[in-house]
Amino acid sequence: AQSVTQLDSQVPVFEEAPVELRCNYSSSVSVYLFWYVQYPNQGLQLLLKYLSGSTLVKGINGFEAEFNKSQTSFHLRKPSVHISDTAEYFCAVSLYNQGGKLIFGQGTELSVKP
Amino acid sequence: DAGVIQSPRHEVTEMGQEVTLRCKLISGHNSLFWYRQTMMRGLELLIYFNNNVPIDDSGMPEDRFSAKMPNASFSTLKIQPSEPRDSAVYFCASSHPSGVLSTTDTQYFGPGTRLTVL
Repeated sequence: AQSVTQLDSQVPVFEEAPVELRCNYSSSVSVYLFWYVQYPNQGLQLLLKYLSGSTLVKGINGFEAEFNKSQTSFHLRKPSVHISDTAEYFCAVSLYNQGGKLIFGQGTELSVKP
Repeated sequence: DAGVIQSPRHEVTEMGQEVTLRCKLISGHNSLFWYRQTMMRGLELLIYFNNNVPIDDSGMPEDRFSAKMPNASFSTLKIQPSEPRDSAVYFCASSHPSGVLSTTDTQYFGPGTRLTVL
């Protein structure tokens, strides 16, 4: 069975500090990897996705993520966070043989403090 | 460009009542996904459609839940009868596959319906 584990449920960080949100997945088949962000009282929106090619993927709002196949990880990073980055972040996988079905991790709440 | 539209945004009902949640897809999209979000279980896929046809409903909790796509741009999720444990935020999302059941497409989420069953 496939699963996604986000290793931190909450990450507090000060403004302008770097941040890394960790994500590991488990799958016996090829997957595609996504990070979505959910701002308070809103739906999810795509930050970035890894499909193939370069393992370093750049997304919106200055975020990037690196796919590491040997460690089955897809960690999200930003070198300098802003107050406006405060939100919940979800890592997700889709399976190449199951249409558009996404399996989400439990989410990481990023709290940026001044 | 209008995004995915969900209604109502908030719904409070009593146990045993029927609840209908509505979703309008982004124009031109032909895949539709219903999710449920709770603190305990996180984000769960309930069902998804492609070209109005249900593809995978394995996430639907039980027979009290049903979902339809009466046309290409609209979907409903019905709970009858509702129970307190159905309280959650329900999201729908749509995508525009670039190929047949493509797994790489971005899903665009609506703002959600917060359902409270008393």
